[in-house]
Amino acid sequence: GAGVSQTPSNKVTEKGKYVELRCDPISGHTALYWYRQSLGQGPEFLIYFQGTGAADDSGLPNDRFFAVRPEGSVSTLKIQRTERGDSAVYLCASSLKGTGRDEQFFGPGTRLTVL
Amino acid sequence: AQSVTQLDSHVSVSEGTPVLLRCNYSSSYSPSLFWYVQHPNKGLQLLLKYTSAATLVKGINGFEAEFKKSETSFHLTKPSAHMSDAAEYFCVVSVYTGGFKTIFGAGTRLFVKA
Repeated sequence: GAGVSQTPSNKVTEKGKYVELRCDPISGHTALYWYRQSLGQGPEFLIYFQGTGAADDSGLPNDRFFAVRPEGSVSTLKIQRTERGDSAVYLCASSLKGTGRDEQFFGPGTRLTVL
Repeated sequence: AQSVTQLDSHVSVSEGTPVLLRCNYSSSYSPSLFWYVQHPNKGLQLLLKYTSAATLVKGINGFEAEFKKSETSFHLTKPSAHMSDAAEYFCVVSVYTGGFKTIFGAGTRLFVKA
C-alpha cells in the first residue's frame, strides 16, 4: 500500500517568506508526527497529532511555526517569516495508534532551503 | 529529563566482522526504545523496538539489541556486517508527556569496509 508522502520534495524560498509543507499519512493512522533534521543531526521532534488535535507541540521552536490536521488525515506545517536557520529537511511520520510503542512510518521529507 | 546519547558518531568495521552501536538513555518512566536506520536518499526505517517485553529484541536484517535497565543502555549489535549495512543508525526513546514525545539520538554513521 501507499506509504507516507510529503510535498513538495524540495522548496527554495527567500528569507521572510511564508511556506507550507504537506504530509499525507498512511490511511487509517491516527497519529502524525513532524520532525526537523539538520545536516549531520538526528531528527528533532516538532509536534505530534492524535487525530485532529495536537497532543504535544512542545518541539515547535517559536510562534512562526504552526501545524494543522483539520480532518485527522493530511497535515500541513506552516512557517511564517522564514529565516535562514529554518533550512533543514522536514520529516513527517505516521503511526497506527500513537501509543508510543508503535512503529512510526516516515515520509521521504521536504528539503527546505531559505536563501 | 528524557534524553538519548549515542556514544559514537562514526563506527567503521570490515565486512563479516561484528557490529556494535552504543546507545544510553535517560528516562523518568519505563521507556519504549527503538532503533531506526536511514540509508542515503531513503526514508527512516524501523530496525527493532523494545516495549517492556523480552529484553533481548531481534529485528530485521540480523540486528538485535538488548535492553539493560541497570546500565540504561540499548546497544545494537549484528554478528556479521554486510556492505549493505552502511547507513546512519538512530537510537530513539518514546516518552509520555501527556502525549507521546519521540526523542532521537544524534545518530551513528556505520561504515563497512570490503
